[in-house]
Amino acid sequence: EVQLVETGGGLVQPGKSLKLTCATSGFTFSNAWMHWVRQSPEKQLEWVAQIKAKSNNYATYYAESVKGRFTISRDDSKSSVYLQMNSLKEEDTAIYYCTWLLWYWGQGVMVTVSS
Amino acid sequence: DVLMTQTPVSLPVSLGGQVSISCRSSQSLVHSDGNTYLHWYLQKPGQSPQLLIYRVSNRFSGVPDRFSGSGSGTDFTLKISRVEPEDLGVYYCLQSTHFPLTFGSGTKLEIK
Repeated sequence: EVQLVETGGGLVQPGKSLKLTCATSGFTFSNAWMHWVRQSPEKQLEWVAQIKAKSNNYATYYAESVKGRFTISRDDSKSSVYLQMNSLKEEDTAIYYCTWLLWYWGQGVMVTVSS
Repeated sequence: DVLMTQTPVSLPVSLGGQVSISCRSSQSLVHSDGNTYLHWYLQKPGQSPQLLIYRVSNRFSGVPDRFSGSGSGTDFTLKISRVEPEDLGVYYCLQSTHFPLTFGSGTKLEIK
């Protein structure tokens, strides 16, 4: 059974940092292309970032709204993908989901950016 | 960015009825590899989105054949026949042909 479990969310002040972790199981993670997608309080879904597999040189792609502030990475030995979020803004407040291939999704983790 | 225009915003339906949801893109979703990366999701209350249809018309594992997708180029449709209570929620389309990936704004399926 495919499982994706996000952790690391919480309340953080503007300008601070937070790192999300997505632990996975049930599929061959080392070959997997992984994404982060977020959903605003208004329920709008927004793609955030993608990381490809080692065979694709771990290529990464970002939404313009997070480029330069967020970094997606992975640890194939731990079957985990990460989202390092720096210089957080109030508009980054959302539920963050990790997804494998956009097919299977985790349950999401809430990030609230507020002073 | 590719704008995904999804209509209607709200869709009242009677159980057992049939509905269609439209998703139009601001540019063609045909990839250079010949595939069209347009997908449909259902988000039930309190849950994460779940994939229904991938690449326009392919039902994902476990999705009943009451769900069907069609379309090409910039114009796509999701049809749901014999609507059941478990079908209620918000439907989203997603294009992954072009970066950045973009979602429609959602269609809420609710009981009439």
